[in-house]
Amino acid sequence: GAVVSQHPSRVICKSGTSVKIECRSLDFQATTMFWYRQFPKQSLMLMATSNEGSKATYEQGVEKDKFLINHASLTLSTLTVTSAHPEDSSFYICSACQGNSGETQYFGPGTRLLVL
Amino acid sequence: DAKTTQPPSMDCAEGRAANLPCNHSTISGNEYVYWYRQIHSQGPQYIIHGLKNNETNEMASLIITEDRKSSTLILPHATLRDTAVYYCIVPNNFGNEKLTFGTGTRLTIIP
Repeated sequence: GAVVSQHPSRVICKSGTSVKIECRSLDFQATTMFWYRQFPKQSLMLMATSNEGSKATYEQGVEKDKFLINHASLTLSTLTVTSAHPEDSSFYICSACQGNSGETQYFGPGTRLLVL
Repeated sequence: DAKTTQPPSMDCAEGRAANLPCNHSTISGNEYVYWYRQIHSQGPQYIIHGLKNNETNEMASLIITEDRKSSTLILPHATLRDTAVYYCIVPNNFGNEKLTFGTGTRLTIIP
């Protein structure tokens, strides 16, 4: 149980285009989903917290207009990187948890984005 | 989140027990200790968590000291597939489950 998937697993795009990454909880309903970013040789950094049916909460320094998050259902959250630039190339990882408080987070396998 | 301190790296021989320490001296009474690991180029994998009592599951054991200021993750019979970065995390207890990942311990299992 507690499986989280991401699609695509890797994507290459041209600078200036937008890329959508999907995060799905396969066997549970996720009230809360999180989006992280990991640059090479660094640890995971939280970008935003997404609650189903409400606007995402972004961490300081993360542009909400550039990283659009939609959590329209209890099993799906999407992250859209708009007008991607080479510096947005990174490993994007989502996680999901079932409840609102004190629940374990389960992580997806990650999406590697390369912007040319 | 309560700050955690872990050694940057450790080696362990294959088949032996791997003991990974973590200090969390500022932990509050109702904050849990979580352990995750990240194998290269994958998303983090949940291992185990605990509050006061020692915990065991199919992956590992978690030993928490009586004063709760430190804990040890034990992988009883390490295999090469256990090579990963192990993160000890104490989320804040404000109900938003935010996880702050430090640098973790890079565990290398030696054949």
